[in-house]
Amino acid sequence: TQLLEQSPQFLSIQEGENLTVYCNSSSVFSSLQWYRQEPGEGPVLLVTVVTGGEVKKLKRLTFQFGDARKDSSLHITAAQPGDTGLYLCAGPTSGTYKYIFGTGTRLKVLA
Amino acid sequence: DTEVTQTPKHLVMGMTNKKSLKCEQHMGHRAMYWYKQKAKKPPELMFVYSYEKLSINESVPSRFSPECPNSSLLNLHLHALQPEDSALYLCASSQDTSSFGEQYFGPGTRLTVT
Repeated sequence: TQLLEQSPQFLSIQEGENLTVYCNSSSVFSSLQWYRQEPGEGPVLLVTVVTGGEVKKLKRLTFQFGDARKDSSLHITAAQPGDTGLYLCAGPTSGTYKYIFGTGTRLKVLA
Repeated sequence: DTEVTQTPKHLVMGMTNKKSLKCEQHMGHRAMYWYKQKAKKPPELMFVYSYEKLSINESVPSRFSPECPNSSLLNLHLHALQPEDSALYLCASSQDTSSFGEQYFGPGTRLTVT
C-alpha cells in the first residue's frame, strides 16, 4: 500500500512568517500534485511536479520534488491570511489508475 | 473553461430516500472520479470512470451506484444510505487516467443522512 504522509499536521503562524510543508512516501511516484482546499469547497490544483529534483515556483510558493521521487515539499514565503487552508499532496499509484491523497496539513495564517 | 460543476450543493436525505448527485465538466476530459471526504480528512477515492466505462470501484457499498451517461456527465445514485455516509462528495475530472493525472475538482455536495 502506498501512503503519503504529510507534516506537520497543523500549523498556525503569524502573517509574514515562512513555512515548509513536507510530503513523504516510501514509494516512488511518477508525479505529485499539490492542492489547497478551503472549508466546504473542493481541492484546487496548485502545481504538478514530475521530474526528480524539480523545483517550481508559484508566486510566494515553492514546490520541490525529491531526487528519488519519494518526497516533496511546499515552502511558503511571507505567508498571508489568504494562504489559510488545507494543503494536500497527491499522486498516482504505480501500475494502477488509483490516485491517493496525503494526510493533509491544515495551515492557519493569523493577521 | 476549467470548471467542474456539482449539484446540489447541499442535500439532506432520510435513510429510505433515493437521491442522485450530478457532476458535469466541459473540458473534454475522459476520466471522471467520485470521492468521499469526511470532516478534517483527505478525500477518499470511490469510483473512477475512464472513457465512460467504470474502471475502478474501491469496494464501495452497493447503496452507492455511479453512472456515466456521456463523457461530460457523472452521476452518483444514492439509496438506503446510513448516517455514517454523511460527508462531502467530490467529483473530479482529468484529461485521462494516465499517470500524469492532474485532477480538477468540483465544489462538492454536502450530504447529510438523517
